[in-house]
Amino acid sequence: EPEVTQTPSHQVTQMGQEVILRCVPISNHLYFYWYRQILGQKVEFLVSFYNNEISEKSEIFDDQFSVERPDGSNFTLKIRSTKLEDSAMYFCASTTGEGTEAFFGQGTRLTVV
Amino acid sequence: AQSVTQPDIHITVSEGASLELRCNYSYGATPYLFWYVQSPGQGLQLLLKYFSGDTLVQGIKGFEAEFKRSQSSFNLRKPSVHWSDAAEYFCAVGPMEYGNKLVFGAGTILRVKS
Repeated sequence: EPEVTQTPSHQVTQMGQEVILRCVPISNHLYFYWYRQILGQKVEFLVSFYNNEISEKSEIFDDQFSVERPDGSNFTLKIRSTKLEDSAMYFCASTTGEGTEAFFGQGTRLTVV
Repeated sequence: AQSVTQPDIHITVSEGASLELRCNYSYGATPYLFWYVQSPGQGLQLLLKYFSGDTLVQGIKGFEAEFKRSQSSFNLRKPSVHWSDAAEYFCAVGPMEYGNKLVFGAGTILRVKS
């Protein structure tokens, strides 16, 4: 069964450093998402991406965040200058956009120290 | 605005007992509804989904859920819980068309006692 893959599974970074979280969505999917889950809290939408541009973003997704699809397979989330409160599990998801479910990756646990 | 309420933060059931996890949603149109399960340190696995048609949907691992439009509910059930079902369960709602986002509930942590 096709799956969404995320790398790395766990990343530790120092406050103020830049991090890039990587995702390979399912190959025929058209819509890509990032969600995050702070420990003990609900899963929150960050951003959706379609046709090489952001289609929607939440208020969490401020100027410190950016997304990119640098080639035909990868979808990345960059945090420019990490803060302690960015520590969370980050999930990538993809969908065809035609009324089917979103497929989630296994997540990247980001720890900012 | 879309919202999902899971009123139970924690539920503990005995192995072999039946289970019902509650989910209520607020959504302006016909929703697509989902239940996801997350084991500790793991990602989100889809248990089942409702798009249209039969309001009782079957999912993986013996789970089922019933969509009740009049009550804006989509409760998850399992007739006999196994110890391996211990996990956190999330209800989510979304239109799932044109790339719209999912809105998740806060989750219910299921503990299974032997």
